[in-house]
Amino acid sequence: DAGVTQSPTHLIKTRGQHVTLRCSPISGHKSVSWYQQVLGQGPQFIFQYYEKEERGRGNFPDRFSARQFPNYSSELNVNALLLGDSALYLCASSRPGTSGGLYEQYFGPGTRLTVT
Amino acid sequence: AQKITQTQPGMFVQEKEAVTLDCTYDTSDPSYGLFWYKQPSSGEMIFLIYQGSYDQQNATEGRYSLNFQKARKSANLVISASQLGDSAMYFCAIPALSSGSARQLTFGSGTQLTVLP
Repeated sequence: DAGVTQSPTHLIKTRGQHVTLRCSPISGHKSVSWYQQVLGQGPQFIFQYYEKEERGRGNFPDRFSARQFPNYSSELNVNALLLGDSALYLCASSRPGTSGGLYEQYFGPGTRLTVT
Repeated sequence: AQKITQTQPGMFVQEKEAVTLDCTYDTSDPSYGLFWYKQPSSGEMIFLIYQGSYDQQNATEGRYSLNFQKARKSANLVISASQLGDSAMYFCAIPALSSGSARQLTFGSGTQLTVLP
C-alpha cells in the first residue's frame, strides 16, 4: 500500500506570495494533520482535519488555512509568505477511529518550502 | 502549559551497543500517551513506540523500549544493539493539551543520534 504522499517535494517562493501544499493520506485514513518543522527544531502542529472538518488548530496566524476534500486528501495554504515560513511542512494521516484517540500517525516525506 | 524537553542535542554510540535518549515532559492532562518518532535525513517521521500513561509495563517494540517513569515525568527511549541505520534525529512527543488526540502532537526539540562503526 502507498504511504502518505505530499507534493511538491521542494518549493521556492518570494515574500508576499501565496503557496498551496498538497497531501494524500494512506488509503482508508480519514484524519490528516499538518506540521511545520523549522530547521533544527521539532515539528509544530498546525491543523488537524477529520472527516472534512477542522478538529484542531495550533498557534499559527490566519495566513495559514487548510481544507480536506471528500477523498480525504488535504491542502495547506499559506498567504503573504514571510521569510520565517521557510520550513519542512509535514502531513500525517492516521487510521480510522474516533477523532481523538491515541493512534500513531504516519507521516509523509514533507514539502520543503524556501521563502526568499 | 505543556512542555517536552530533550536535553541531548547530539549523542554518539558505538555499533552494537545500547543507547538511552532522554525525554522529560510536563502536562496537566490526566491521561496521555508518550510517542517516539525517528526522522532520517530524508525527512520522513517514522513511528517507533508508544506508551499510555496508565500502562503498567514499559513498552517494547523490537530493539526499542521505553523507560517510563511517571513520578519523574520521564520517558526515555532505549535502543539496544545499535545499527548504522539508527543514525537519525529522534523526537519525543505527547498529545497537545486538551486535545486528547495523538493527531495533534507536541514534539520535543530532538536528539541527533550518530552510530559509529
